[in-house]
Amino acid sequence: EDQVTQSPEALRLQEGESSSLNCSYTVSGLRGLFWYRQDPGKGPEFLFTLYSAGEEKEKERLKATLTKKESFLHITAPKPEDSATYLCAVQASGTASKLTFGTGTRLQVTL
Amino acid sequence: NAGVTQTPKFQVLKTGQSMTLQCAQDMNHNSMYWYRQDPGMGLRLIYYSASEGTTDKGEVPNGYNVSRLNKREFSLRLESAAPSQTSVYFCASRFRGQDGYTFGSGTRLTVV
Repeated sequence: EDQVTQSPEALRLQEGESSSLNCSYTVSGLRGLFWYRQDPGKGPEFLFTLYSAGEEKEKERLKATLTKKESFLHITAPKPEDSATYLCAVQASGTASKLTFGTGTRLQVTL
Repeated sequence: NAGVTQTPKFQVLKTGQSMTLQCAQDMNHNSMYWYRQDPGMGLRLIYYSASEGTTDKGEVPNGYNVSRLNKREFSLRLESAAPSQTSVYFCASRFRGQDGYTFGSGTRLTVV
């Protein structure tokens, strides 16, 4: 059974204080690992897809990396508007685009 | 704006009542999905439709039915609502081979 575990559950940072969120996964043949951002009361918003170990993608202050067992979402010099819940999900090979999600990391960035 | 539209946004049902959650997308996506989100559980797949005319069960299908009405619309029906179905329901769509899902804004359902 595919599993995704995210840590920490919650993280509080000061503006400008860089950190990383972790996503550990077990899957029978990884087809893709996805990162989403979710604001309160809204649906998840797609950020990145990573397909193979060693791959990295960046968007503004966010950078996602992937190894064979885990992914990291690095947040560099965060701003208050980066406050949200960040979700990780995996798609296994041969699963017709179904994603298995982790429970998320709730990030709060304060001034 | 292009995207995934869900109706209603909020709903309160009594145990045993039925209702249909509506979802429509205008991005010409092939695949559509229904997820539920509960505190501490993450998003769990209820049903999905890989293409028009097909539907398949996900992780938690019991108590639900779906209809892929056409390429744009994918509805979720609760025939006899139970308190355990209190949740936030998200519809999502994806174009075959393209990155990521596009999610709707959700339906918050409470069953009393």
